[in-house]
Amino acid sequence: GDSVTQMEGPVTLSEEAFLTINCTYTATGYPSLFWYVQYPGEGLQLLLKATKADDKGSNKGFEATYRKETTSFHLEKGSVQVSDSAVYFCALSNFGNEKLTFGTGTRLTIIP
Amino acid sequence: NAGVMQNPRHLVRRRGQEARLRCSPMKGHSHVYWYRQLPEEGLKFMVYLQKENIIDESGMPKERFSAEFPKEGPSILRIQQVVRGDSAAYFCASSPEQVNEKLFFGSGTQLSVL
Repeated sequence: GDSVTQMEGPVTLSEEAFLTINCTYTATGYPSLFWYVQYPGEGLQLLLKATKADDKGSNKGFEATYRKETTSFHLEKGSVQVSDSAVYFCALSNFGNEKLTFGTGTRLTIIP
Repeated sequence: NAGVMQNPRHLVRRRGQEARLRCSPMKGHSHVYWYRQLPEEGLKFMVYLQKENIIDESGMPKERFSAEFPKEGPSILRIQQVVRGDSAAYFCASSPEQVNEKLFFGSGTQLSVL
């Protein structure tokens, strides 16, 4: 079945550092890929998405590129801020249905 | 404009009791999804409902678990005769239509079974 493997956390970085959170997937066909973010005390929010190979999703300075050859969708940001502290979830959906398959989540803490 | 509301935030039950988790979707949303996150695992799809209908319950355990989304009121996820293995975070999401990238999630209910 479909699965998503995420970089284990927690991850702690200093403000303005470069961020990479790795995500790889296993799926049949051509899934859509997502990053969701959960800020403290809130629900998950869609951060960015990509629907086909070589697409780049971007939002709030975060980027991720759909790499079919390596089955990856790594999340990157050039300069993190304290406000980026949150839990980040990689996810996929297949066949355009509602069943999102999530990774375990990566807790990110940014220190001033 | 309130988001998806889940209550309670934390629920403690003893083995054998019943747990009822509530989810009020965003205003105007008629589709509700329930996900469960067991410790050290990702969120797993449980069930997808529209008003008064269960559309897909392929992720629901076969026994003790049920879900409803009545014409009026919140969606309810009900777990009968809880066991310790039911301890998890339960997330609800809603959408205005069946387009999964427009899911809006609640903050979740943390169920602890003693």
